Amino acid sequence: DTAVSQTPKYLVTQMGNDKSIKCEQNLGHDTMYWYKQDSKKFLKIMFSYNNKELIINETVPNRFSPKSPDKAHLNLHINSLELGDSAVYFCASSSGTTYGYTFGSGTRLTVV
Amino acid sequence: AQSVTQLDSQVPVFEEAPVELRCNYSSSVSVYLFWYVQYPNQGLQLLLKYLSGSTLVKGINGFEAEFNKSQTSFHLRKPSVHISDTAEYFCAVGNQGGKLIFGQGTELSVKP
Repeated sequence: DTAVSQTPKYLVTQMGNDKSIKCEQNLGHDTMYWYKQDSKKFLKIMFSYNNKELIINETVPNRFSPKSPDKAHLNLHINSLELGDSAVYFCASSSGTTYGYTFGSGTRLTVV
Repeated sequence: AQSVTQLDSQVPVFEEAPVELRCNYSSSVSVYLFWYVQYPNQGLQLLLKYLSGSTLVKGINGFEAEFNKSQTSFHLRKPSVHISDTAEYFCAVGNQGGKLIFGQGTELSVKP
């Protein structure tokens, strides 16, 4: 059983479209995250939810909207996709910073 | 504010040679330190972490790291690398209740 699973693994779409990425964790963790990894491999946190409550919201365009229906799921919806949104998006979960994060395998988003 | 600097973007090394990947951090509070590994087209996997106590921490796959508070460093070492260690390595810093901040990554390339 995959601990943190993301779907889809690959997503190719045209500029202006709206798309969603889904994330689910079966570890019983309270906190989930979205990170963006750019073409230079740099990882930047976007959002964090703790028990369905938004606790971290970095400087991200409001075209990005996270949603957490329950503590095991954290989805990312992106409106009006732009070329610069092309990246790998990672979902992660943790039971506290001291334990580190468990990452999903990533979603490679390509906007054409 | 916290920050992490990985001093080498690429480290080429021959198989069975020792390797050190360098990481320096900046923080005004006590921190937790982590090393993650990312194999091609995969998510990040925790190698090891330092929370407190002994400054030498051992992780998976024969890696170890040493926390040096006076030099604000957390360098990763392995005495003898294998081809399979070829990957991207990320140093990260966090604190209680906070988020993980990642360094820029170091690409370790092990050659036969």
